[in-house]
Formats: sequence, structure tokens, C-alpha cells
Amino acid sequence: ETGVTQTPRHLVMGMTNKKSLKCEQHLGHNAMYWYKQSAKKPLELMFVYNFKEQTENNSVPSRFSPECPNSSHLFLHLHTLQPEDSALYLCASSQDGVTRGYTFGSGTRLTVV
Amino acid sequence: DQQVKQNSPSLSVQEGRISILNCDYTNSMFDYFLWYKKYPAEGPTFLISISSIKDKNEDGRFTVFLNKSAKHLSLHIVPSQPGDSAVYFCAARTLQTGANNLFFGTGTRLTVIP
Repeated sequence: ETGVTQTPRHLVMGMTNKKSLKCEQHLGHNAMYWYKQSAKKPLELMFVYNFKEQTENNSVPSRFSPECPNSSHLFLHLHTLQPEDSALYLCASSQDGVTRGYTFGSGTRLTVV
Repeated sequence: DQQVKQNSPSLSVQEGRISILNCDYTNSMFDYFLWYKKYPAEGPTFLISISSIKDKNEDGRFTVFLNKSAKHLSLHIVPSQPGDSAVYFCAARTLQTGANNLFFGTGTRLTVIP
């Protein structure tokens, strides 16, 4: 148990589907993140939320829509994705000033067909 | 442009020997560096970190060395064990703006051969 829980672990969706990824943390952290991990690429920061407010949107296409209803939950809503969006999506949380960086979830392996 | 680079995608080491994983960075404003370890089907987990005011930090079998003038850091694992086989990510951040955003490298897959 890492303290950050992501569901589902695996997701296969068609290009016309709408789905959502969920992330939950009960570590008392005040910041949550979505990262994308594609093969042979560094982890790419997608969105940052600090105290429920989005502070960064790293030029992510609008087919990815984040939602942070409270400081413990983070969603990533997906619609009309492309096959190249297939990747591992990682959620993380952190507390400002903590020198251990982030606590990551186990990720959602997304396949777009 | 990648600010954190891990130029070796893979490394194989015999059990009991030393593993050395390397990382280079381009942003001189980075002042904190971290190493993460990732097993298949799991998220990355924090391993060890170092502040830019230090040149070495040790935690058991793991030691991180920082060479600021060369913008280079390395992770040494000695002795290496089969359970160390994983992907290792180097990460860096700057505290200048108070942001807690990490920049990651592409990772190095370490295989420790029994």
C-alpha cells in the first residue's frame, strides 16, 4: 500500500469512448499530479493541483480533462482519445517542503484501440 | 528539451558487484535531486535524494554522488542484489519558485544477475 490508490489498474477503450481515471490519497498531502509515462520517454507532467486549484496544465490536449473535487481525490476524464495516448498514467501526491518528492500510485495502464 | 537525461537505457551487473547509474542535467537552477525505483506494474518509489549543497549522500547500500560543476549525478549500489533489478529514474527540482514539480529522466533498467 503506497498511500496513493489508482483505479482502474488497466483500461482498454475505443477512440469514441468516455472514461475516467481515479486517484485517491489519504496522506494529508496538499498537491496532486497526473503524469504520463510512454515507452522510452521521461515521465511527462500533465496537471498539477495545489489545494484543489489547478496550478499547471502542461500543454495537454483538451481530450484530457482533470478534476479535483477535494485535496484527497483527483480524476482524469478521457474522451475521444487517440491510439498514441496509450500509456501508463501515474498519479502522485506531495506535501510542499517534503524532501522525499512524490508518493506515486501504481498507475493505470491505458490502451486506446 | 529534456532537462534530465539518463543516457544508458539498461545496465547488467553481477550479483555482489557495484552498480553505477548515471544522470546528467542541464538546468543549473536545480537544487534537489532524487532517485526513484520502479518495479513492473508498480508506481515509482522514492529511493534516495541529495541537496545541491552536498556532494554525497549515503543510505545503506545506496550512495548518490553529485558533481555540480559537471551537472552530473550518479547512484551507486553496492553490493548489488537480484532484488535491485528494476528501472531507476533520476529526478530533479528547483525550490526557487516554491513549486514541487519534478523533472524526470527516461530511466535506466538495472538487471542484477544471480
